Order: sequence, then C-alpha cells, then structure tokens
Amino acid sequence: DGGITQSPKYLFRKEGQNVTLSCEQNLNHDAMYWYRQDPGQGLRLIYYSQIVNDFQKGDIAEGYSVSREKKESFPLTVTSAQKNPTAFYLCASSAQGGGPQHFGDGTRLSIL
Amino acid sequence: QKEVEQDPGPLSVPEGAIVSLNCTYSNSAFQYFMWYRQYSRKGPELLMYTYSSGNKEDGRFTAQVDKSSKYISLFIRDSQPSDSATYLCAMISGGSYIPTFGRGTSLIVHP
Repeated sequence: DGGITQSPKYLFRKEGQNVTLSCEQNLNHDAMYWYRQDPGQGLRLIYYSQIVNDFQKGDIAEGYSVSREKKESFPLTVTSAQKNPTAFYLCASSAQGGGPQHFGDGTRLSIL
Repeated sequence: QKEVEQDPGPLSVPEGAIVSLNCTYSNSAFQYFMWYRQYSRKGPELLMYTYSSGNKEDGRFTAQVDKSSKYISLFIRDSQPSDSATYLCAMISGGSYIPTFGRGTSLIVHP
C-alpha cells in the first residue's frame, strides 16, 4: 500500500542536541511538507519542498533544517537552536499544486 | 480575521445523530476544499476533496461547498462512536502548494 512513513513514533531530545525525524513516501508525489502541531494551535508549516534539491521556509522555520536529496525522502532536523521543540510533527506529501495533502502518522518529540 | 474559521467544539452528539461541521473563509481565491479526520496521536486522514460548489457524497459523509457564502460543511449521517475525532477543514488556491487549515473541531459521539 502506498503511503507516508514517519519514524520514530516517539523521540526524546537532550539539551543542546540535534535530532532528525525521518519521512519517507512511496506515493510518487513531487511535493513534501513538514508541519508542527501544538494543542489548540492547529497545523503550522515548517518547511516544504516542491521538487528534489529545492525547499522553502514555511511560517516557523527557525531552529529547523531539511534536505531533499531524493523524491521519496524529506528528513527534518530539529536543531539545538529550537528552544521549544516539544510538539507533534507531521510530514505530508501532495502530487501537485492544488492537490490534497496526505499525512503520515507523526512523530512526538519531547525534551528530556 | 483569520482566513479560515472553524469552531473548536467540542461537539457532543448521541450515536445515530446527523452531525454538521462547518468552516467559513475569507479568501475568494480558494478553489479546492478538503476535510480531514484526525484521531488522537495519529496523522490527519483525508476524507473528502472537492472543487466546485455543491455536494459530494461518500458513504455516510457529505461535503458541501457554497462559494458565494464562503462556507463549507461536512455532514456525517448515522454517526458512530468510532467517528469521535477532530475534523479539520482545509482549502487551497488553484496552483498553490500550501493549503490553509482550520484549527479543527473535536467531535464526540456517545453511545
């Protein structure tokens, strides 16, 4: 079955540590996205990529970095510069502009 | 004024009721409209994707779009406890890659 796989499901970060969240899709979609979801705040866009080797900042990119070396993969690194990283992180993909996004099941990041 | 307004609820209904979930929007450029269902600790699942004004039906779900009023609805017939979740509306302009999401409505269907 086609879909989006996020790993790990739960992740813990120590102070000063960078952590990387994995997102893989086998839907053959060109575009991929990272969102952060906090209680009561809805979905906030961190980064998105319309095509391999290209990506753009979303509304809350500070403290995060991404890469898009393969069509199927769009990993997100939460750096030590992100002072409030505790949240539920969602990866999504879409086939083209205007098309619906499909989501993975998320990674919950917490601080130790 | 936010671009997309959605009442957070919670909306509590008895099993078997007809549920109406709604969103209003202000951007007349929005052309595509989506409804997602999100269970606790899971990612949003696409339920409905519509383009034109009017109704689209899929099983117990009906999506309604009224572009003249900038208002969209999701109706759930014969609601079940398994429908208890948060429902997110989303909308996007033609050719754009970035949808605008509502904050979600929490639905509780009690037996």
